[in-house]
Amino acid sequence: QSVLTQPPSVSGTPGQRVTISCTGSRSNIGAGYDVHWYQQLPGTAPKLLIYGNSNRPSGVPDRFSGSKSGTSASLAITGLQAEDEADFYCQSYDSSLRGVVFGGGTKLTVL
Amino acid sequence: VQLQESGPGLVKPSQTLSLTCTVSGGSFNSAGYYWSWVRQHPGKGLEWIGYIYYSGTAYYNPSLKSRVAISIDTSKNQFSLRVSSPTAADTAVYYCAAFSDNGDYFDFWGQGSLVTVSS
Repeated sequence: QSVLTQPPSVSGTPGQRVTISCTGSRSNIGAGYDVHWYQQLPGTAPKLLIYGNSNRPSGVPDRFSGSKSGTSASLAITGLQAEDEADFYCQSYDSSLRGVVFGGGTKLTVL
Repeated sequence: VQLQESGPGLVKPSQTLSLTCTVSGGSFNSAGYYWSWVRQHPGKGLEWIGYIYYSGTAYYNPSLKSRVAISIDTSKNQFSLRVSSPTAADTAVYYCAAFSDNGDYFDFWGQGSLVTVSS
């Protein structure tokens, strides 16, 4: 099982707002390490979506936003679109493992 | 920065799994990125394997450290992964990626290379 815990799946209808949680512990998110999010469209490589908890790389729509509090982080997607259907992963650093850790991934389905 | 994996798609358990990543469009032999390997088992999530700095210092996932080695050739803008004694459990898509050294995130990714371990 993954060091960071994400729900296996979330769903929503076009236009809705959905959130994806990422729960860690005192050795990773709770220790102050940043959380980053990736979007993986079917059959493609992951793409950086959010870095440094809440920053969007150039070209990422402002419909995507991130936040962090305590030992958890969240990714929010507003104005859901069919093209948002993908797998989403959170990532941080763990001081006990001394390495990069990922969440197990969340599959977003747009109904 | 563009990254491209290359290597055999089929490896026997008695062999060594070897992949190379060629980097273009960035400052490969200076600070900025840790050059990384990440894998994804079929239908599963992402797993960090390890990364190497331009200086040659490498860091590995503790669960894989005994079987993995990452090396770098700055003259060719390439870095490589070797996994010894692979098993079917090492069958995965292997991605090379650029890990920002001041942000701790994967900024750029290769397209991925499927490696199947089978006799």
